[in-house]
Amino acid sequence: AQSVTQPDIHITVSEGASLELRCNYSYGATPYLFWYVQSPGQGLQLLLKYFSGDTLVQGIKGFEAEFKRSQSSFNLRKPSVHWSDAAEYFCAVGVRSNDYKLSFGAGTTVTVRA
Amino acid sequence: EAQVTQNPRYLITVTGKKLTVTCSQNMNHEYMSWYRQDPGLGLRQIYYSMNVEVTDKGDVPEGYKVSRKEKRNFPLILESPSPNQTSLYFCASSFRDAGNRGQPQHFGDGTRLSIL
Repeated sequence: AQSVTQPDIHITVSEGASLELRCNYSYGATPYLFWYVQSPGQGLQLLLKYFSGDTLVQGIKGFEAEFKRSQSSFNLRKPSVHWSDAAEYFCAVGVRSNDYKLSFGAGTTVTVRA
Repeated sequence: EAQVTQNPRYLITVTGKKLTVTCSQNMNHEYMSWYRQDPGLGLRQIYYSMNVEVTDKGDVPEGYKVSRKEKRNFPLILESPSPNQTSLYFCASSFRDAGNRGQPQHFGDGTRLSIL
């Protein structure tokens, strides 16, 4: 079965600084990969997704992620964070044999300091 | 406005008292699913539905029931709630894209259930 690890439980970053959130997955084949963001008191919003092709994926809100097969990783990046980026971020992996199933990581909470 | 609407948003109840959490989407999506979110565990899928009258179990279906009689609605039923079902619940929906992939794209705002 597939699984996802987000090694960082909590990250603090200064406004205007760059952000990178780590995501490692375990799956025998090429998975589908997703990043979601959850603002306090709200549901999840899909930031970006990778199915195949170009390994650098652009998403909404200025985020991008890079799929690295050799490292089983799908790290999320943003060059310059805004205070509104403070939220919890979830990486998720899907499998090609079941289009409806996602396995989520435990999440990384991002705090943005002024 | 595209929406997934869950009700209630908050509920405190007692063990064994049947409850239903409703979920409705206005996007004509085929796929709907229920997740529970617990600290340190991320989201875990309870049930999903590929279309009307088609449902299947996710990772943690025990103690839950669902039905999909209409495309827009996907209620979650707890027949006899227990304290270990205290959690934050999310409903999600998605359309079938060109690759026939139905992973969740739109989430409701969540329902916080406390079972005493």
